[in-house]
Amino acid sequence: ILNVEQSPQSLHVQEGDSTNFTCSFPSSNFYALHWYRWETAKSPEALFVMTLNGDEKKKGRISATLNTKEGYSYLYIKGSQPEDSATYLCASYVDGGGNKLTFGTGTQLKVEL
Amino acid sequence: DGGITQSPKYLFRKEGQNVTLSCEQNLNHDAMYWYRQDPGQGLRLIYYSQIVNDFQKGDIAEGYSVSREKKESFPLTVTSAQKNPTAFYLCASSPGLAGPVDTQYFGPGTRLTVL
Repeated sequence: ILNVEQSPQSLHVQEGDSTNFTCSFPSSNFYALHWYRWETAKSPEALFVMTLNGDEKKKGRISATLNTKEGYSYLYIKGSQPEDSATYLCASYVDGGGNKLTFGTGTQLKVEL
Repeated sequence: DGGITQSPKYLFRKEGQNVTLSCEQNLNHDAMYWYRQDPGQGLRLIYYSQIVNDFQKGDIAEGYSVSREKKESFPLTVTSAQKNPTAFYLCASSPGLAGPVDTQYFGPGTRLTVL
């Protein structure tokens, strides 16, 4: 992996469903993995920053895990609600990219009633 | 109320004109960033500044210029040399102390349309 990649690109779920999506990133020279939530017409806001292999973070119904050896992170949403509808971005530092984050293209989540 | 402001929200310019996008923060953050978003692409870094009077090019700096004369302000000029200026522009700031684990705080964005 040379870049930060997210899948799926978009996701439609029903209210109450649990869901998860993936962020893949370069595992060499890893420093940190960031997750942001970006709701329509609002600014992106930080969810988690993770640094250690095996890290797990939780905020309400949203949690994330980190595997730095294989270069992936999962974001889980338990019991999705319409207010969870947003684009979820992950970002990491890419080897040779300097002191700056590289963002994935995001997973757009739509939670329907 | 602490935060980042960007103005204007929508901006229209004629082709060939330079235009400056404003970004101000009152979070006392050292680092500031400019990103561009195009449909189907992730946020791409244009320029960033880790301290006053210093800034570095990001991944797509060509056709853009910035200044950082004050800690709270990081204006971005889109010059006529930028071949595809129509896009959504996001400004962000971070404390600047924690390097890779610094959380970035984003403004509401400016949508620039060049006619």
